[in-house]
Amino acid sequence: GAVVSQHPSRVICKSGTSVKIECRSLDFQATTMFWYRQFPKKSLMLMATSNEGSKATYEQGVEKDKFLINHASLTLSTLTVTSAHPEDSSFYICSAASVRGRRNTEAFFGQGTRLTVV
Amino acid sequence: QKEVEQDPGPLSVPEGAIVSLNCTYSNSAFQYFMWYRQYSRKGPELLMYTYSSGNKEDGRFTAQVDKSSKYISLFIRDSQPSDSATYLCAMSSLYNFNKFYFGSGTKLNVKP
Repeated sequence: GAVVSQHPSRVICKSGTSVKIECRSLDFQATTMFWYRQFPKKSLMLMATSNEGSKATYEQGVEKDKFLINHASLTLSTLTVTSAHPEDSSFYICSAASVRGRRNTEAFFGQGTRLTVV
Repeated sequence: QKEVEQDPGPLSVPEGAIVSLNCTYSNSAFQYFMWYRQYSRKGPELLMYTYSSGNKEDGRFTAQVDKSSKYISLFIRDSQPSDSATYLCAMSSLYNFNKFYFGSGTKLNVKP
Protein backbone atom coordinates (compact mmCIF):
# COMPACT_ATOMS: atom_id res chain seq x y z
CA GLY A 1 0.00 0.00 0.00
CA ALA A 2 0.91 3.65 -0.18
CA VAL A 3 3.07 5.24 2.50
CA VAL A 4 1.90 7.96 4.84
CA SER A 5 4.45 9.39 7.22
CA GLN A 6 3.48 11.18 10.39
CA HIS A 7 5.87 13.21 12.48
CA PRO A 8 6.66 13.34 15.32
CA SER A 9 5.72 9.91 16.58
CA ARG A 10 5.80 11.14 20.14
CA VAL A 11 5.80 14.59 21.70
CA ILE A 12 5.64 15.91 25.23
CA CYS A 13 4.81 19.55 25.71
CA LYS A 14 3.99 21.94 28.49
CA SER A 15 0.46 23.08 29.11
CA GLY A 16 -0.29 26.27 27.22
CA THR A 17 2.12 25.67 24.37
CA SER A 18 1.28 24.70 20.79
CA VAL A 19 2.27 21.53 19.01
CA LYS A 20 2.39 20.87 15.28
CA ILE A 21 1.96 17.41 13.81
CA GLU A 22 2.83 16.71 10.19
CA CYS A 23 1.28 14.16 7.88
CA ARG A 24 2.99 13.45 4.57
CA SER A 25 2.01 11.19 1.71
CA LEU A 26 5.33 9.92 0.43
CA ASP A 27 4.50 8.20 -2.82
CA PHE A 28 1.19 9.65 -3.95
CA GLN A 29 -0.68 12.93 -4.07
CA ALA A 30 -3.25 13.17 -1.30
CA THR A 31 -6.16 15.36 -2.29
CA THR A 32 -7.90 14.59 0.98
CA MET A 33 -6.48 14.03 4.43
CA PHE A 34 -8.28 13.03 7.58
CA TRP A 35 -7.32 13.64 11.19
CA TYR A 36 -8.41 11.26 13.92
CA ARG A 37 -8.02 11.11 17.63
CA GLN A 38 -7.83 7.87 19.57
CA PHE A 39 -8.16 7.46 23.32
CA PRO A 40 -6.90 4.30 25.05
CA LYS A 41 -9.21 1.37 24.37
CA LYS A 42 -11.53 3.65 22.46
CA SER A 43 -12.37 3.93 18.81
CA LEU A 44 -10.82 6.40 16.41
CA MET A 45 -12.85 9.58 16.26
CA LEU A 46 -12.75 11.64 13.09
CA MET A 47 -11.82 15.21 13.96
CA ALA A 48 -11.71 16.85 10.56
CA THR A 49 -11.42 16.33 6.83
CA SER A 50 -9.15 18.56 4.78
CA ASN A 51 -8.94 18.97 1.04
CA GLU A 52 -5.84 20.44 -0.52
CA GLY A 53 -6.09 24.19 -0.87
CA SER A 54 -9.35 24.61 1.02
CA LYS A 55 -10.50 24.94 4.60
CA ALA A 56 -10.92 21.84 6.70
CA THR A 57 -14.34 20.51 7.59
CA TYR A 58 -14.55 19.83 11.30
CA GLU A 59 -16.74 17.26 12.99
CA GLN A 60 -19.28 18.35 15.52
CA GLY A 61 -17.73 19.12 18.87
CA VAL A 62 -14.21 19.68 17.54
CA GLU A 63 -12.93 23.19 18.18
CA LYS A 64 -11.54 24.55 14.94
CA ASP A 65 -9.63 27.32 16.72
CA LYS A 66 -7.92 24.80 18.94
CA PHE A 67 -7.09 22.22 16.30
CA LEU A 68 -5.76 24.13 13.33
CA ILE A 69 -5.47 22.14 10.13
CA ASN A 70 -3.54 23.20 7.09
CA HIS A 71 -3.43 21.23 3.85
CA ALA A 72 -1.26 23.48 1.74
CA SER A 73 0.07 20.90 -0.69
CA LEU A 74 -0.89 17.54 -2.14
CA THR A 75 1.63 15.78 0.06
CA LEU A 76 1.44 17.59 3.37
CA SER A 77 -1.18 18.35 5.97
CA THR A 78 -0.49 19.72 9.44
CA LEU A 79 -2.49 19.64 12.64
CA THR A 80 -1.58 22.26 15.23
CA VAL A 81 -2.90 21.81 18.74
CA THR A 82 -2.95 25.32 20.14
CA SER A 83 -2.69 26.20 23.82
CA ALA A 84 -2.53 22.53 24.67
CA HIS A 85 -3.97 21.25 27.93
CA PRO A 86 -3.58 17.86 29.63
CA GLU A 87 -7.00 16.79 28.34
CA ASP A 88 -5.62 17.13 24.80
CA SER A 89 -3.23 14.27 25.52
CA SER A 90 -4.12 11.53 23.08
CA PHE A 91 -3.03 9.56 20.05
CA TYR A 92 -3.55 11.55 16.87
CA ILE A 93 -3.62 9.75 13.54
CA CYS A 94 -3.86 11.06 10.01
CA SER A 95 -4.94 9.26 6.88
CA ALA A 96 -4.56 10.31 3.28
CA ALA A 97 -6.65 9.49 0.22
CA SER A 98 -5.30 9.75 -3.29
CA VAL A 99 -8.17 10.76 -5.52
CA ARG A 100 -10.80 13.41 -4.92
CA GLY A 101 -14.19 11.83 -4.45
CA ARG A 102 -12.88 8.32 -3.98
CA ARG A 103 -13.95 6.37 -0.99
CA ASN A 104 -11.91 6.70 2.13
CA THR A 105 -11.54 2.93 1.98
CA GLU A 106 -8.52 3.69 -0.14
CA ALA A 107 -7.02 6.01 2.41
CA PHE A 108 -3.82 5.04 4.17
CA PHE A 109 -2.98 5.78 7.76
CA GLY A 110 0.09 7.34 9.27
CA GLN A 111 1.76 5.73 12.26
CA GLY A 112 0.22 8.17 14.71
CA THR A 113 1.52 10.78 17.14
CA ARG A 114 1.35 10.27 20.88
CA LEU A 115 0.84 13.71 22.44
CA THR A 116 1.34 14.15 26.16
CA VAL A 117 0.64 17.53 27.69
CA VAL A 118 2.15 18.05 31.13
CA GLN B 1 -26.19 3.90 21.78
CA LYS B 2 -22.85 3.86 20.00
CA GLU B 3 -22.90 3.69 16.24
CA VAL B 4 -20.54 0.72 16.25
CA GLU B 5 -20.06 -1.79 19.05
CA GLN B 6 -17.06 -4.07 19.31
CA ASP B 7 -15.97 -6.30 22.16
CA PRO B 8 -12.61 -4.95 23.38
CA GLY B 9 -11.33 -8.35 24.44
CA PRO B 10 -8.61 -9.27 25.05
CA LEU B 11 -9.05 -12.45 23.07
CA SER B 12 -6.36 -15.03 23.65
CA VAL B 13 -6.05 -18.08 21.37
CA PRO B 14 -3.41 -20.74 20.66
CA GLU B 15 -1.45 -20.63 17.44
CA GLY B 16 -3.34 -22.29 14.59
CA ALA B 17 -6.79 -21.53 15.99
CA ILE B 18 -9.58 -19.94 13.99
CA VAL B 19 -10.31 -16.47 15.29
CA SER B 20 -13.69 -14.78 15.00
CA LEU B 21 -13.94 -11.02 15.50
CA ASN B 22 -17.26 -9.22 15.36
CA CYS B 23 -18.93 -5.84 15.31
CA THR B 24 -22.53 -4.77 15.47
CA TYR B 25 -23.88 -1.46 14.30
CA SER B 26 -27.07 0.53 14.50
CA ASN B 27 -27.09 2.68 11.35
CA SER B 28 -28.78 0.85 8.46
CA ALA B 29 -27.25 3.39 6.04
CA PHE B 30 -23.78 1.89 6.43
CA GLN B 31 -22.70 0.28 3.17
CA TYR B 32 -18.90 0.13 3.38
CA PHE B 33 -17.32 -2.13 5.94
CA MET B 34 -13.63 -2.31 6.71
CA TRP B 35 -11.34 -4.19 9.02
CA TYR B 36 -8.09 -2.65 10.18
CA ARG B 37 -5.21 -4.13 12.12
CA GLN B 38 -3.35 -1.88 14.53
CA TYR B 39 -0.12 -2.83 16.24
CA SER B 40 0.80 -1.12 19.46
CA ARG B 41 1.65 2.58 18.99
CA LYS B 42 1.14 2.33 15.22
CA GLY B 43 -1.48 3.57 12.81
CA PRO B 44 -4.21 1.24 11.52
CA GLU B 45 -3.52 -0.87 8.45
CA LEU B 46 -6.38 -1.84 6.11
CA LEU B 47 -6.94 -5.59 6.02
CA MET B 48 -10.25 -6.11 4.29
CA TYR B 49 -12.94 -4.01 2.70
CA THR B 50 -16.47 -5.12 1.80
CA TYR B 51 -19.29 -3.30 0.14
CA SER B 52 -22.83 -4.13 1.24
CA SER B 53 -23.57 -7.73 2.23
CA GLY B 54 -21.68 -10.90 1.54
CA ASN B 55 -18.36 -12.56 2.10
CA LYS B 56 -14.87 -11.69 0.97
CA GLU B 57 -11.81 -13.86 1.32
CA ASP B 58 -8.15 -12.88 1.18
CA GLY B 59 -5.66 -15.52 2.15
CA ARG B 60 -6.27 -16.49 5.78
CA PHE B 61 -8.78 -13.68 6.27
CA THR B 62 -12.51 -13.78 5.55
CA ALA B 63 -14.83 -10.84 6.06
CA GLN B 64 -18.58 -11.34 6.36
CA VAL B 65 -21.34 -8.78 6.38
CA ASP B 66 -24.92 -9.51 7.40
CA LYS B 67 -26.81 -6.30 6.88
CA SER B 68 -30.13 -7.78 7.99
CA SER B 69 -28.62 -8.39 11.43
CA LYS B 70 -26.32 -5.35 11.30
CA TYR B 71 -23.44 -7.66 12.11
CA ILE B 72 -20.01 -8.00 10.57
CA SER B 73 -17.29 -10.54 11.20
CA LEU B 74 -13.64 -11.12 10.45
CA PHE B 75 -12.34 -14.68 10.54
CA ILE B 76 -8.65 -15.48 10.73
CA ARG B 77 -7.67 -19.05 9.88
CA ASP B 78 -4.49 -20.71 11.08
CA SER B 79 -3.75 -17.79 13.36
CA GLN B 80 -0.12 -16.86 13.93
CA PRO B 81 1.63 -15.00 16.76
CA SER B 82 2.27 -12.21 14.25
CA ASP B 83 -1.51 -11.73 14.06
CA SER B 84 -1.43 -10.46 17.64
CA ALA B 85 -2.71 -6.90 17.40
CA THR B 86 -5.83 -4.84 17.88
CA TYR B 87 -8.44 -5.29 15.17
CA LEU B 88 -10.76 -2.40 14.41
CA CYS B 89 -13.90 -2.52 12.35
CA ALA B 90 -14.96 0.62 10.53
CA MET B 91 -17.92 1.52 8.39
CA SER B 92 -19.38 4.37 6.40
CA SER B 93 -22.45 5.23 4.39
CA LEU B 94 -23.00 5.95 0.71
CA TYR B 95 -23.91 9.60 1.24
CA ASN B 96 -20.91 10.30 3.50
CA PHE B 97 -18.45 7.62 2.59
CA ASN B 98 -15.46 9.55 3.86
CA LYS B 99 -16.76 9.63 7.40
CA PHE B 100 -15.71 6.43 9.12
CA TYR B 101 -17.26 5.10 12.28
CA PHE B 102 -14.83 2.88 14.10
CA GLY B 103 -15.36 0.18 16.67
CA SER B 104 -13.24 0.42 19.78
CA GLY B 105 -11.08 -2.47 18.64
CA THR B 106 -10.56 -6.04 19.85
CA LYS B 107 -7.16 -6.93 21.21
CA LEU B 108 -6.05 -10.34 19.95
CA ASN B 109 -3.22 -12.37 21.41
CA VAL B 110 -2.12 -15.50 19.56
CA LYS B 111 0.03 -17.65 21.81
CA PRO B 112 2.83 -19.73 20.24
